[in-house]
Amino acid sequence: DGGITQSPKYLFRKEGQNVTLSCEQNLNHDAMYWYRQDPGQGLRLIYYSQIVNDFQKGDIAEGYSVSREKKESFPLTVTSAQKNPTAFYLCASSMWGTGGTDTQYFGPGTRLTVL
Amino acid sequence: AQSVTQLGSHVSVSEGALVLLRCNYSSSVPPYLFWYVQYPNQGLQLLLKYTSAATLVKGINGFEAEFKKSETSFHLTKPSAHMSDAAEYFCAAGLNDYKLSFGAGTTVTVRA
Repeated sequence: DGGITQSPKYLFRKEGQNVTLSCEQNLNHDAMYWYRQDPGQGLRLIYYSQIVNDFQKGDIAEGYSVSREKKESFPLTVTSAQKNPTAFYLCASSMWGTGGTDTQYFGPGTRLTVL
Repeated sequence: AQSVTQLGSHVSVSEGALVLLRCNYSSSVPPYLFWYVQYPNQGLQLLLKYTSAATLVKGINGFEAEFKKSETSFHLTKPSAHMSDAAEYFCAAGLNDYKLSFGAGTTVTVRA
């Protein structure tokens, strides 16, 4: 079954700690994306990658970092520099790098809570 | 810059009644338009996509949306609501680049 997996589903972090959220896809898609979702604000783009070994900042990249060493994987690290990290994080992928016109498919999300 | 406005953060309908969710976009160039649905604590699922091939787009679960360029709108409708339609719905717009712009979402409640 092709799809996008995110782990863990729930994640708790103490202030000052870095945490890494996993995103894996077996759809053979070139592009991958990370979004942050807060109540009443829709989805905001954190980072995106159109091809392996390349990624770009989105609208709210401060306090986050990513890597794209393999086509299937696009992990997101939430660093201690992110002032308000508690949110629902969604990973997505699309067949090509034109994410504005190409359909994006979403994973089930990770809910991060900072204690 | 591209922006998407969804009118009404909450919509309540009776089972069997019409569901109408409103979406307006701001762009001088008609964008690609999407409607997604999200059930609690889950990811987004694509309902339908407008690509300029036809102004009336049919999607999954009985939903459809009509693109109106003169009104810069892409409203989502379903003739008869079902209890399983209770969810949050997002409209999104994209141009020929990497980015989708999402509306703030509309939560649908279905009354028995």
